[in-house]
Amino acid sequence: GESVGLHLPTLSVQEGDNSIINCAYSNSASDYFIWYKQESGKGPQFIIDIRSNMDKRQGQRVTVLLNKTVKHLSLQIAATQPGDSAVYFCAERYTGRRALTFGSGTRLQVQP
Amino acid sequence: GAVVSQHPSWVICKSGTSVKIECRSLDFQATTMFWYRQFPKQSLMLMATSNEGSKATYEQGVEKDKFLINHASLTLSTLTVTSAHPEDSSFYICSARKGGTTEGYGYTFGSGTRLTVV
Repeated sequence: GESVGLHLPTLSVQEGDNSIINCAYSNSASDYFIWYKQESGKGPQFIIDIRSNMDKRQGQRVTVLLNKTVKHLSLQIAATQPGDSAVYFCAERYTGRRALTFGSGTRLQVQP
Repeated sequence: GAVVSQHPSWVICKSGTSVKIECRSLDFQATTMFWYRQFPKQSLMLMATSNEGSKATYEQGVEKDKFLINHASLTLSTLTVTSAHPEDSSFYICSARKGGTTEGYGYTFGSGTRLTVV
């Protein structure tokens, strides 16, 4: 079936740099997307979300961009900090479906 | 904010026994709860969607007789792994959805349960 996938399994950045985590999705019927952060041994933590009728949304130090033309989602983290080190997942919700479908995840490593 | 409590955080059981995992929404009523399974270094895979007072909807390939889900109230859903085997060892995570809420925070996740079957 259709699924959400990611380009990079691991991303290593220097502290203070900006990070960009990408996600490709294949279901054009998805109407809602969320980025989650997961630390080892814990459940996913909400970061930011975006509806399909938007192309950009900003939060504190984070920005999500949605390009429906190429079915691409990205998470930008400004001034990356060591505490940002974790695995990041994008999740999508298909129109008419209540559950979220998760992508494969990207591990972000922040070098001090 | 919305808080979901999952218990236990970890459990070790013998092969052939059953294990029950609880998922509670502490400060809201969850009309829908979801159960996910996550193997090491992999993503979360949806197992089933449970609705208060009705039968759960299982994803393709998930054995409903093995993974029993009960959602008897608006604040509690349980997942029972019956006749557990070593291949059932995994990280199980629940998510509760608050009805009529703003998106994003409508999906709140528990802290997960690490199940090890020996």
